[in-house]
Amino acid sequence: SQQGEEDPQALSIQEGENATMNCSYKTSINNLQWYRQNSGRGLVHLILIRSNEREKHSGRLRVTLDTSKKSSSLLITASRAADTASYFCATDAGDYKLSFGAGTTVTVRA
Amino acid sequence: DGGITQSPKYLFRKEGQNVTLSCEQNLNHDAMYWYRQDPGQGLRLIYYSQIVNDFQKGDIAEGYSVSREKKESFPLTVTSAQKNPTAFYLCASSHDRAGANVLTFGAGSRLTVL
Repeated sequence: SQQGEEDPQALSIQEGENATMNCSYKTSINNLQWYRQNSGRGLVHLILIRSNEREKHSGRLRVTLDTSKKSSSLLITASRAADTASYFCATDAGDYKLSFGAGTTVTVRA
Repeated sequence: DGGITQSPKYLFRKEGQNVTLSCEQNLNHDAMYWYRQDPGQGLRLIYYSQIVNDFQKGDIAEGYSVSREKKESFPLTVTSAQKNPTAFYLCASSHDRAGANVLTFGAGSRLTVL
């Protein structure tokens, strides 16, 4: 079952701007992960945040997690054309099965 | 280079035919997965395997079958019983990263039923 839901479905920004996308989920999790998918390709793991963490950074990525609201956000700062992709959140409930949302499609305009 | 290889990249099938998608990994990962992705949608889990000779159904296993005879290989057969098989199929493997399950994906196989 798909637990995560991303918002917005699509996002178009100018190069250099920040992109923010959100993920909501329904049940308790061990951790939440974000993946990127370039068109027609496989997914690539970006960042993982555990249920006892509130914020995590990796390069230009910043992830927050609010377990009380069952939500997470991914911020990409100073976006580049190469950031154009679909971004998916995935929840890990500790049962070996990651549940993916429908994704946010980000387009970075030059 | 370590990674996951899926083949074929594109596959066309006539209705009523079974097809098998290959997935091979050299990452020494124990767990392997098959996901299906439809346009504009997220990934839905078909089957997963935590160890050799063992696998479990995911959310949409009907019309699919798998085997896990070797650690490196997890082929998926799309049978004629699958009502709407046209989709993008993604294989993944995972390792335990300090109690967290992180997936490495292959490049995908696109199946089209004619």
